[in-house]
Amino acid sequence: AQSVTQLDSQVPVFEEAPVELRCNYSSSVSVYLFWYVQYPNQGLQLLLKYLSGSTLVKGINGFEAEFNKSQTSFHLRKPSVHISDTAEYFCAVNRAAGNKLTFGGGTRVLVKP
Amino acid sequence: NAGVTQTPKFRVLKTGQSMTLLCAQDMNHEYMYWYRQDPGMGLRLIHYSVGEGTTAKGEVPDGYNVSRLKKQNFLLGLESAAPSQTSVYFCASSYHQTSGGTDTQYFGPGTRLTVL
Repeated sequence: AQSVTQLDSQVPVFEEAPVELRCNYSSSVSVYLFWYVQYPNQGLQLLLKYLSGSTLVKGINGFEAEFNKSQTSFHLRKPSVHISDTAEYFCAVNRAAGNKLTFGGGTRVLVKP
Repeated sequence: NAGVTQTPKFRVLKTGQSMTLLCAQDMNHEYMYWYRQDPGMGLRLIHYSVGEGTTAKGEVPDGYNVSRLKKQNFLLGLESAAPSQTSVYFCASSYHQTSGGTDTQYFGPGTRLTVL
């Protein structure tokens, strides 16, 4: 079985400042890694995913994440946030050949002007 | 192309009442999922389906039943609602690729259920 830990439940950040959201996972088998975003009162949508290859993955809206196998981490970053980035962000894993995502508890980002 | 839609958007039930949540997708996806979202716990999988006529239990299946009679629809039923089932319910679907595990899931807007 796999598990996902998002170390910060809330991250306040000022507009145009950088932000990093931390995600650590545990699994006994190879996994694929995902970041989803949930804007207020909406469903989740995919930001980016790591399947293989380069450990630095670029996603939508200027976000990127880095896969670190030795540290079992998949941290999400954005160099300069906007008010519109206020949302909840979820890290998730799926084992290779699996069909079920395991989600972390979520990190709520509040961007302040 | 509506994507994934959920009906209803909001519902209030009394303890012991029953209801069915409907999920529909128009992307011809094989896989469909029902999750519940509770504060600080992320999304937890209730049941899922890998094709028409098939269903399987997820992480938190107790108190729920599902059916997938048509490929595009996935129904979630609560036979006797309890206050512990107060939550936001999300449906998702995905196109299953042969390289399993890589699928992107597409989510509906959610149903907010309150059980009194």
